[in-house]
Amino acid sequence: NAGVTQTPKFRVLKTGQSMTLLCAQDMNHEYMYWYRQDPGMGLRLIHYSVGEGTTAKGEVPDGYNVSRLKKQNFLLGLESAAPSQTSVYFCASRSGTSAYEQFFGPGTRLTVL
Amino acid sequence: ELKVEQNPLFLSMQEGKNYTIYCNYSTTSDRLYWYRQDPGKSLESLFVLLSNGAVKQEGRLMASLDTKARLSTLHITAAVHDLSATYFCAVDGVGTSGSRLTFGEGTQLTVNP
Repeated sequence: NAGVTQTPKFRVLKTGQSMTLLCAQDMNHEYMYWYRQDPGMGLRLIHYSVGEGTTAKGEVPDGYNVSRLKKQNFLLGLESAAPSQTSVYFCASRSGTSAYEQFFGPGTRLTVL
Repeated sequence: ELKVEQNPLFLSMQEGKNYTIYCNYSTTSDRLYWYRQDPGKSLESLFVLLSNGAVKQEGRLMASLDTKARLSTLHITAAVHDLSATYFCAVDGVGTSGSRLTFGEGTQLTVNP
């Protein structure tokens, strides 16, 4: 079991470039989440999904889009990167049953110049 | 809007001492989570507290939840250097679809020899 994996681990973009972050989980979890973590802060929810084909906005969704075409994958897209999106991005997943615990991926460190 | 506050935000303590980290939240919830994060790493689940009066212990750490007071505590007993990390509490807002977590800012704990 790999758990939750994220690709890539590091990325540097120039302002205005686009990219997609991939999150994959092999635990057959229903729910998946994208968070960002900025220095000295807790995690803030960007978007989340309660099942394949569904997505919803979190606390800080502006500038990001997501897709969940397959149950095991959750993609986070930046269409036109801005320096304010420099952050560490974490993906998480959890089961849809009574196990409420979220399991986190290793993170992607993104720098936008 | 659910707000989660931790205190202290920074804690420097000596090995062998006891201390408590507090997590207050603003709206009704009966699901609270504690996570540990080492520098440059992902979040590791420590405790899942699912009801009023819940108490869980693992090694030198003990977490409790008082839903009436909207307060959780993380108690550290006889601290050791290996406990140095940032600790986050996260609260699952009642009625939120998909179990959305709101995180506190984190408590950066340093245990000195």
